[in-house]
Amino acid sequence: KAGVTQTPRYLIKTRGQQVTLSCSPISGHRSVSWYQQTPGQGLQFLFEYFSETQRNKGNFPGRFSGRQFSNSRSEMNVSTLELGDSALYLCASSLSPDSYNEQFFGPGTRLTVL
Amino acid sequence: AQSVAQPEDQVNVAEGNPLTVKCTYSVSGNPYLFWYVQYPNRGLQFLLKYITGDNLVKGSYGFEAEFNKSQTSFHLKKPSALVSDSALYFCAVRDSGAGSYQLTFGKGTKLSVIP
Repeated sequence: KAGVTQTPRYLIKTRGQQVTLSCSPISGHRSVSWYQQTPGQGLQFLFEYFSETQRNKGNFPGRFSGRQFSNSRSEMNVSTLELGDSALYLCASSLSPDSYNEQFFGPGTRLTVL
Repeated sequence: AQSVAQPEDQVNVAEGNPLTVKCTYSVSGNPYLFWYVQYPNRGLQFLLKYITGDNLVKGSYGFEAEFNKSQTSFHLKKPSALVSDSALYFCAVRDSGAGSYQLTFGKGTKLSVIP
């Protein structure tokens, strides 16, 4: 079974631009979560989707948004990029949003904002 | 609110020696606990989890973890460390009763296994 895939793997943007990141979950997985990883703040939860519905959102400004499609693929968007948005963005999938299910992570998208 | 603490930023251990990576947690209900490992430029890999039952949980690559409810701890252990175990280790928790599916991670512990 193929793992979680994320595209692109690397991105370089400038302040004020917007960016869209894509995540394809493991086949059969219907829950997708997004995390931001930085050296200073560690791993921070962005949001979780199940059946095209956002079920939970972390403490991030409204510039960060996401969606999930009917095939469980997910995208996240960051508008009006700031230098502090430079991070590794990780997508994770699980069979369902049941709390006891482990999540499987993709390799991440490394975003650099100049 | 749920939280996780990994009190050591870095752990150094000699190859062949036992290793322990510490984790303590705080939740209002019963915890679901997870350990993940991250190698450089890679995503996180699931190692093991505690949901209920036996306090000693066995996982991938010879790792195990012991759940201690009274000390609210979930330390990761391995009897004999390998150089290839050198990586960043994350402990994570979910509150089983909160109705939230958010995983809260610790800051991570860098494990270095010295040949």
